[in-house]
Amino acid sequence: GDSVTQMEGPVTLSEEAFLTINCTYTATGYPSLFWYVQYPGEGLQLLLKATKADDKGSNKGFEATYRKETTSFHLEKGSVQVSDSAVYFCALDPAGGTSYGKLTFGQGTILTVHP
Amino acid sequence: NAGVMQNPRHLVRRRGQEARLRCSPMKGHSHVYWYRQLPEEGLKFMVYLQKENIIDESGMPKERFSAEFPKEGPSILRIQQVVRGDSAAYFCASSPLKVAGAGPEAFFGQGTRLTVV
Repeated sequence: GDSVTQMEGPVTLSEEAFLTINCTYTATGYPSLFWYVQYPGEGLQLLLKATKADDKGSNKGFEATYRKETTSFHLEKGSVQVSDSAVYFCALDPAGGTSYGKLTFGQGTILTVHP
Repeated sequence: NAGVMQNPRHLVRRRGQEARLRCSPMKGHSHVYWYRQLPEEGLKFMVYLQKENIIDESGMPKERFSAEFPKEGPSILRIQQVVRGDSAAYFCASSPLKVAGAGPEAFFGQGTRLTVV
């Protein structure tokens, strides 16, 4: 079955540091890949997505590139802010004619950014 | 355009009581998904519904849990005879009609946090 593995957290950084959160996946076919962010006490918000190999999703300074050869979708940001402190989830959605938007999530990575 | 609305935001139930969680999808969305987030874990798929139909309930516990999405009104996740292990955050997501070959993103509500005491 499909699965998503994220690097274990928590991750603690100082403001303006570089961020990488690793995500690898196992899937049959050609899934779409997503990063969701969950701020404290809130629901998930879509951060970025990529629907095919070599696509780069980007939003709010975050980027992730869909690497089919390494089955990875690592999240990066060049300079984090305190407001980026949240839980980040990598997820996949199997694509194809009969599939639907049932997401498989990684376990989440807690990011804390200190001033 | 209002987002996915869930209510209540917080729900406290005693063991053995029933819990009803409601989800109103975004306007124009005909697909609803329920996910459960246990403490310190990621989200796990529970059930996928379209209007008046359960499409995939492979993630639903075999007993005590049921879901519906009637022709009119919100989707309901119902948990009968709750136990402490049901304490979790329950998230609803909705999406529009899926286009073959490309997955539309699912939009999530803020969740209902169920506490069983």
